[in-house]
Amino acid sequence: QSALTQPASVSGSPGQSISISCTGASSDVGAYNFVSWYQQHPGKAPKLLIYDVSNRPSGVSNRFSGSKSGNTASLTISGLQAEDEADYYCSSYTSSNTYVFGTGTKVTVL
Amino acid sequence: EVQLLESGGGLVQPGGSLRLSCAGSGFSLTSYAMTWVRQAPGKGLEWVSAISGSGDSTYYADSVTGRFTTSRDTSKNTLYLQMNSLRVEDTAVYYCAKDVGYLAHNNNDFWGQGTLVTVSA
Repeated sequence: QSALTQPASVSGSPGQSISISCTGASSDVGAYNFVSWYQQHPGKAPKLLIYDVSNRPSGVSNRFSGSKSGNTASLTISGLQAEDEADYYCSSYTSSNTYVFGTGTKVTVL
Repeated sequence: EVQLLESGGGLVQPGGSLRLSCAGSGFSLTSYAMTWVRQAPGKGLEWVSAISGSGDSTYYADSVTGRFTTSRDTSKNTLYLQMNSLRVEDTAVYYCAKDVGYLAHNNNDFWGQGTLVTVSA
């Protein structure tokens, strides 16, 4: 199972909105609503931001939102803040009864 | 408070074995699915394995199928990852994580601190 495709880097200024895409196939992202998003700061464990495409766990800022269209899922960060600078990973269930992560996106706050 | 404490990592030769443990507190393994995720040095996340809350169902990535086994001891509220026939490419930080639900959907809301496994001659 190949990793889902994410842009290597995305940047934005404080207060702006950015989106990160996660492109898979009809056998994973396109077939199931089991897409999640994680944030990872250097040297730290990942943090769940979004699950089941668009659900936010309690305690996660509403500045983070998720969506999906066809074989591509997206994470949008609104009101970008300095602490949002981190690596972001998507994940999807696959038709092989396994899960796959995305290639990861480094977000830089200018 | 939910906590996950991993142990068992270390240096092992290619072809060797290692067992990782993940002790949970503040919740019951019988109520939530659990997942193992690894991250090679400087690389991205890789899903490794999962077990349902019932313990009846386990799932493995193709890269570890037949070599790794996930199990649990509910009396100790501890998750295990038995790793056999280790390869250099298995070198990574291994995380255990708790799912938000009973089924293994890779929706992991609590993570351990990670334990480093190094496979080298």
